[in-house]
Amino acid sequence: AQSVAQPEDQVKVAEGNPLTVKCTYSVSGNPYLFWYVQYPNRGLQFLLKYITGDNLVKGSYGFEAEFNKSQTSFHLKKPSALVSDSALYFCAVRAPRALGRLYFGRGTQLTVWP
Amino acid sequence: EAQVTQNPRYLITVTGKKLTVTCSQNMNHEYMSWYRQDPGLGLRQIYYSMNVEVTDKGDVPEGYKVSRKEKRNFPLILESPSPNQTSLYFCASRIPGLAGTGELFFGEGSRLTVL
Repeated sequence: AQSVAQPEDQVKVAEGNPLTVKCTYSVSGNPYLFWYVQYPNRGLQFLLKYITGDNLVKGSYGFEAEFNKSQTSFHLKKPSALVSDSALYFCAVRAPRALGRLYFGRGTQLTVWP
Repeated sequence: EAQVTQNPRYLITVTGKKLTVTCSQNMNHEYMSWYRQDPGLGLRQIYYSMNVEVTDKGDVPEGYKVSRKEKRNFPLILESPSPNQTSLYFCASRIPGLAGTGELFFGEGSRLTVL
C-alpha cells in the first residue's frame, strides 16, 4: 500500500534561515513524488516533482527537494526562508503503475517569522 | 486563463438533501479527480476519472457519486449528505505527462457543511 508521512505538523523558522519540511513515503516500485503548497483559503499549487534522474530537484519560489531512495525520503528545502513562504505544505506520492491514485500526507504548517 | 472552476464555493445544507458540486476545467485534460480535505487528515482521494466515461474509486468513495460525460466536467454528487461529509472539497485535473507523471492543477475548493 502507498502512503506518505509528514512527521511534523508544524515547522517554525526565522526569516532568512534555511527551512526543511520532511516527507517519507512507502510505495511499491520507484515512486513519483510531489510537493504542493496551500495558502489560506486557496487551492493547492504545485511546487516541484521527482520522477526520475537527478535526486535534487528544483521548483517554484526557490524551493528544492532531495530524493533519497535508501531513506525513502523527499524533504523540501529552501536556503533562505521568507515570511511569504508561510503556508501549508503537502507531500504526495504515486506508484508508477497506479495511474489514477495520488496519496497525500497530512500536511505541515510552515510559519516564517520576521 | 487556465483554470479549474468549482461551484458552489460555499454551501450549508441539511442531512439528506441531494446536492451536486460542479467542476469544470478549460485545459482539455483527460484526468480529473476529487479530494476532500479534513484537519489532521490531509487530502484523501474520493474518485478519479482517467477519461470520458471512465471513473474509479479512491480511498473514500462511500456516500459519493461522480460522472464524466464530457471531458471538461466532473461533477461530485452527494445523494444523501450526512454530517460526516462536512469538509473542504477540491477538484483537480492533471497536466499531461508521460505515464501520468504530470502534476495536478487544483480548483479553489468548495466548503460544504451538512447540518
